[in-house]
Amino acid sequence: AQKITQTQPGMFVQEKEAVTLDCTYDTSDQSYGLFWYKQPSSGEMIFLIYQGSYDEQNATEGRYSLNFQKARKSANLVISASQLGDSAMYFCAMRDRNTNAGKSTFGDGTTLTVKP
Amino acid sequence: DSGVTQTPKHLITATGQRVTLRCSPRSGDLSVYWYQQSLDQGLQFLIQYYNGEERAKGNILERFSAQQFPDLHSELNLSSLELGDSALYFCASSVGLGGSVSDTQYFGPGTRLTVL
Repeated sequence: AQKITQTQPGMFVQEKEAVTLDCTYDTSDQSYGLFWYKQPSSGEMIFLIYQGSYDEQNATEGRYSLNFQKARKSANLVISASQLGDSAMYFCAMRDRNTNAGKSTFGDGTTLTVKP
Repeated sequence: DSGVTQTPKHLITATGQRVTLRCSPRSGDLSVYWYQQSLDQGLQFLIQYYNGEERAKGNILERFSAQQFPDLHSELNLSSLELGDSALYFCASSVGLGGSVSDTQYFGPGTRLTVL
């Protein structure tokens, strides 16, 4: 069965520094997609970045990059040059072909606090 | 702004009542997904519609039902409400059927339901 594990309930980072949020996943499928979402205190879920299991390069979107290590089944989010506005909850999610159509499975999230 | 709209933003009601949450997907998206986010259960997939047809079902209670209309907007109906139904309800949309692992889901701002 699909499973996403985010082992860091909370993380702190100094403004302008980089931070890595961990995500490990479990699936028996060879074809799957990994997603990261940001949820600020206002509540909305904002899509950040996507990585496909067959993508040869790590995904990047601006200050966000995904450190994808397939053999270790990890898909860590790296945020460079942290800003105060990055303080939020971050969710890792996965979809594979075995799952219920378009359903995404989400981890429990990591709360990131950026300190000035 | 993801382009997905949800109304109302907040809803306060009493146990035993019935409410309807409304969602309009992004322009061009044919799939609509409903998720429930609560403190104890995390983000749970409820149901997916694709172009008016139910596509996938998750942990949706029998007291809950949904539909997608010809103009592609969707409604989630919650009846016989209980205290435990208090949660943030998200609608998400995507372009495709959901069978592609790269089909990104974009979330609306959510409806916060409080059952007193």
